[in-house]
Amino acid sequence: GAVVSQHPSWVICKSGTSVKIECRSLDFQATTMFWYRQFPKQSLMLMATSNEGSKATYEQGVEKDKFLINHASLTLSTLTVTSAHPEDSSFYICSARDYRVSYEQYFGPGTRLTVT
Amino acid sequence: QQQVKQSPQSLIVQKGGISIINCAYENTAFDYFPWYQQFPGKGPALLIAIRPDVSEKKEGRFTISFNKSAKQFSLHIMDSQPGDSATYFCAANQAGTALIFGKGTTLSVSS
Repeated sequence: GAVVSQHPSWVICKSGTSVKIECRSLDFQATTMFWYRQFPKQSLMLMATSNEGSKATYEQGVEKDKFLINHASLTLSTLTVTSAHPEDSSFYICSARDYRVSYEQYFGPGTRLTVT
Repeated sequence: QQQVKQSPQSLIVQKGGISIINCAYENTAFDYFPWYQQFPGKGPALLIAIRPDVSEKKEGRFTISFNKSAKQFSLHIMDSQPGDSATYFCAANQAGTALIFGKGTTLSVSS
């Protein structure tokens, strides 16, 4: 149980285009999902916290107009990278919290974004 | 206050040896301390986690030691195997909030 999927697993896009990444909790309901970004050989950096039915809370330094987050249902959150640039190339990882279990968070497999 | 400091940055251990990774935190409100294992190109996978009401937790070859007064916790991997070669992250949070991650430790187990 407690599986989180991400789609796509990797994507290549041209500079200036937008890319949408989906994060789904497959066998549990997630009231809260988190989006992280990880650059090569670095740690996971929290980008935003997404609560179902409300606006996401962004970390300091993360552009909310560039990284659009929508959490429209208890099993799906999306991250849209708008007007992508090469510096947005990174590994994007989501995690989801099972509302029945306060502490456990389950991570998706990640999405590799390359902007050319 | 929100940082989790992890050491060492990299670690080389012989097969069968013990791998030890240490973390320290500052925020006394943290009450959940997990360790994650990550292979290249994959998302992090939960290895083992501890709450501050216990000082040690063991699952198979993996043990967390927790020292509340020192605000430190560590991961011990017994009988380390080449398949354990990965990056390990400690993390901490309060219930329901986002995890704060350490910088990671790259473990290499030589055969």
